Amino acid sequence: ILNVEQSPQSLHVQEGDSTNFTCSFPSSNFYALHWYRWETAKSPEALFVMTLNGDEKKKGRISATLNTKEGYSYLYIKGSQPEDSATYLCASLNEDVGNEKLTFGTGTRLTIIP
Amino acid sequence: DAGVIQSPRHEVTEMGQEVTLRCKPISGHNSLFWYRQTMMRGLELLIYFNNNVPIDDSGMPEDRFSAKMPNASFSTLKIQPSEPRDSAVYFCASSFFSGTAYEQYFGPGTRLTVT
Repeated sequence: ILNVEQSPQSLHVQEGDSTNFTCSFPSSNFYALHWYRWETAKSPEALFVMTLNGDEKKKGRISATLNTKEGYSYLYIKGSQPEDSATYLCASLNEDVGNEKLTFGTGTRLTIIP
Repeated sequence: DAGVIQSPRHEVTEMGQEVTLRCKPISGHNSLFWYRQTMMRGLELLIYFNNNVPIDDSGMPEDRFSAKMPNASFSTLKIQPSEPRDSAVYFCASSFFSGTAYEQYFGPGTRLTVT
């Protein structure tokens, strides 16, 4: 059974501040790391998919990095806005689990304080 | 593209009744996933199909749950008989291979309440 862990579990950030949180995943047989943004009462929205060690992805004020050798990824949000409030999920795809079977973390719940 | 479509969006039923949840994946996506979200267990995979064939159903809780994918554009998740502990949000997702990775897209979910 794979273990994907996210920290912190929840986070309150003042509007305008930058923040980051962590996803750790098994590095063995690693294939891909996914980040999702999940607003309350909605469905998870795909942010990034990363596969290569050292990969960095950016979408507006949100960016992510990947270290496959040590098994972690960081998600960064620059200049937080109230609309960034959501749960951020990461999910790992490891080839020994199954071709497309993602293992999800429990998420980091981010609240932006206006 | 309309995205992944699920119906109904909300379902309230009595214990013992049969419940059928429906999903239409994004056209051209080869794989389809059924997930369940609960407060206690978070997001858990129930079953997934590739090219309409069930690949992994190890997450299906018990025999009361069954899933089918009769064609590339439709899937059902059935619970018979339903129990209060089945109350949860059920998500369907579909995926395609982008050339570097499989990308999964989620539907809006069906909120099931069993009384």
